[in-house]
Amino acid sequence: AQSVTQLGSHVSVSEGALVLLRCNYSSSVPPYLFWYVQYPNQGLQLLLKYTSAATLVKGINGFEAEFKKSETSFHLTKPSAHMSDAAEYFCAVSVGGSARQLTFGSGTQLTVLP
Amino acid sequence: EAGVTQFPSHSVIEKGQTVTLRCDPISGHDNLYWYRRVMGKEIKFLLHFVKESKQDESGMPNNRFLAERTGGTYSTLKVQPAELEDSGVYFCASSQDVAGKQFFGPGTRLTVL
Repeated sequence: AQSVTQLGSHVSVSEGALVLLRCNYSSSVPPYLFWYVQYPNQGLQLLLKYTSAATLVKGINGFEAEFKKSETSFHLTKPSAHMSDAAEYFCAVSVGGSARQLTFGSGTQLTVLP
Repeated sequence: EAGVTQFPSHSVIEKGQTVTLRCDPISGHDNLYWYRRVMGKEIKFLLHFVKESKQDESGMPNNRFLAERTGGTYSTLKVQPAELEDSGVYFCASSQDVAGKQFFGPGTRLTVL
């Protein structure tokens, strides 16, 4: 069975600062990894996904994540935070070559300070 | 293109009552998923429809939950009778194919008193 751990339920950064949201996964087979974002009163929106191609994945809104098999990590980064990045972020994993059943982490609430 | 819609956005019911949640997927999406987030914990998979068939219902917590997708279009999730621990946010998602990107609805916040 697969699992996801997100370190830090709340992260605060200053506007313009680096955003780093941590995600570690556990999977007995090569995983597919995802980052989703949820803005208030909206559904989850896919930021990016790793599907065993390039280990550095670029997503929308300037976010990217690097798959590190040796560390079983898939941390999300953005060089410069914007106020509009304030939201809850979820890391998720699926196995078996499809996205049919996503296993999510507990989420990280990102606050961007002016 | 309309996204995934869910109704109602909020529901407050008393323990023992029945509630039915509805999800309208994106038109043409054969795959429909239900997920639940309880008490700020992880979002957990409940079940997966392919058209009107239940492909995987391994995440359904117990037999108080009944999901249907008649005609392969919209889906309903009924909780009967509701218990306090059923409170949470119920998300629906749809995708065009099994390996495809899942599009999520805004969720239904269920509160059981």
